[in-house]
Amino acid sequence: ETGVTQTPRHLVMGMTNKKSLKCEQHLGHNAMYWYKQSAKKPLELMFVYSLEERVENNSVPSRFSPECPNSSHLFLHLHTLQPEDSALYLCASSQDLGRGAGDTQYFGPGTRLTVL
Amino acid sequence: GQNIDQPTEMTATEGAIVQINCTYQTSGFNGLFWYQQHAGEAPTFLSYNVLDGLEEKGRFSSFLSRSKGYSYLLLKELQMKDSASYLCAVREHDYKLSFGAGTTVTVRA
Repeated sequence: ETGVTQTPRHLVMGMTNKKSLKCEQHLGHNAMYWYKQSAKKPLELMFVYSLEERVENNSVPSRFSPECPNSSHLFLHLHTLQPEDSALYLCASSQDLGRGAGDTQYFGPGTRLTVL
Repeated sequence: GQNIDQPTEMTATEGAIVQINCTYQTSGFNGLFWYQQHAGEAPTFLSYNVLDGLEEKGRFSSFLSRSKGYSYLLLKELQMKDSASYLCAVREHDYKLSFGAGTTVTVRA
């Protein structure tokens, strides 16, 4: 248990559906992240929020829309996805966007997304 | 861009030692992280190195040589539960982590 939870754990959706992924951290951290993990590929950073403000949008298609209503919650809204978007979506949090050991990122278990 | 290389797979016997190497070529360096990820679970933080040398934490140790762009994770007294993917990640100038593709370690009885 890392202190970061994600729901749902598994999601199957059609290309015309709209769904949302939820992440919650219980660590009192100020920064939150969305990553995409595809099979046999490195984790890809998608979005970064610090104190509820987006500080990074890593050339992610607009069919992915993040939302951070407060420093404990992070959402990823999905619409008109493509089959190649099927992957494990990981949420992470860190104390701040710093450079020290104290700003280690802690991950949730991920949502396994399948787009049909 | 960043280049983080680590072997794809390794197999070892229970009770043995395995060393997972990671080499990196980045424009800056502000720390190297190792994570363990069991199938279907969260990557969990194992170690952090920012200065050259060896950091030991129980059965796991991590080594860093900044001049060589090289790190390794050493797993001693392997147990079946150590079967997992091990991720090497480098933090460059700011908060961003660049990850390797991961090394899948299989421990056999």
